[in-house]
Amino acid sequence: GAGVSQSPSNKVTEKGKDVELRCDPISGHTALYWYRQSLGQGLEFLIYFQGNSAPDKSGLPSDRFSAERTGGSVSTLTIQRTQQEDSAVYLCASSTGTGYGYTFGSGTRLTVV
Amino acid sequence: KQEVTQIPAALSVPEGENLVLNCSFTDSAIYNLQWFRQDPGKGLTSLLLIQSSQREQTSGRLNASLDKSSGRSTLYIAASQPGDSATYLCAVLSSNTGKLIFGQGTTLQVKP
Repeated sequence: GAGVSQSPSNKVTEKGKDVELRCDPISGHTALYWYRQSLGQGLEFLIYFQGNSAPDKSGLPSDRFSAERTGGSVSTLTIQRTQQEDSAVYLCASSTGTGYGYTFGSGTRLTVV
Repeated sequence: KQEVTQIPAALSVPEGENLVLNCSFTDSAIYNLQWFRQDPGKGLTSLLLIQSSQREQTSGRLNASLDKSSGRSTLYIAASQPGDSATYLCAVLSSNTGKLIFGQGTTLQVKP
């Protein structure tokens, strides 16, 4: 596609439920990031995929968070047993590779009630 | 550990003014530096990308400079307009970790 696509754009879920957030990167982009932006806060790095290398998961805040990238393309961020503090905008970005600029999606606004 | 700082945190100017936003980073081992714009409730839009070997990039009324040795970048906006009101984010791509590290942003308001 022309840009990075994220779905859903908005998600309201009950505390304790699991959620899946999807990111479709630009075709051919080998690098993919997930970030979290809480209300009034900066961007918090979550996870980074680069080609076939093992992902850098050092930013995942707890073991309730996981992400995968299938076929080097679509990525899914899963949050298990959601908590209210998980409420934030989750942003995905992709790039041609290391050293190139990043293109961001419009994000998924997650609200845990 | 790479840290990115943006000053000021907020800025309010009358329409037509030229202005400068500042970004500093602690580790000069970077691939590039990218300036983004974020409108309320929206994602990030890339404005300018400066590779580590470059000194500046220009796009329309925007000019970004990079001094890698001193760990500084500036974003210059000429003849500001109310439509420029947004949060501006600076990010460096670390060549040590491969991570894109963001500053906290500068929120700009341009008054008509």
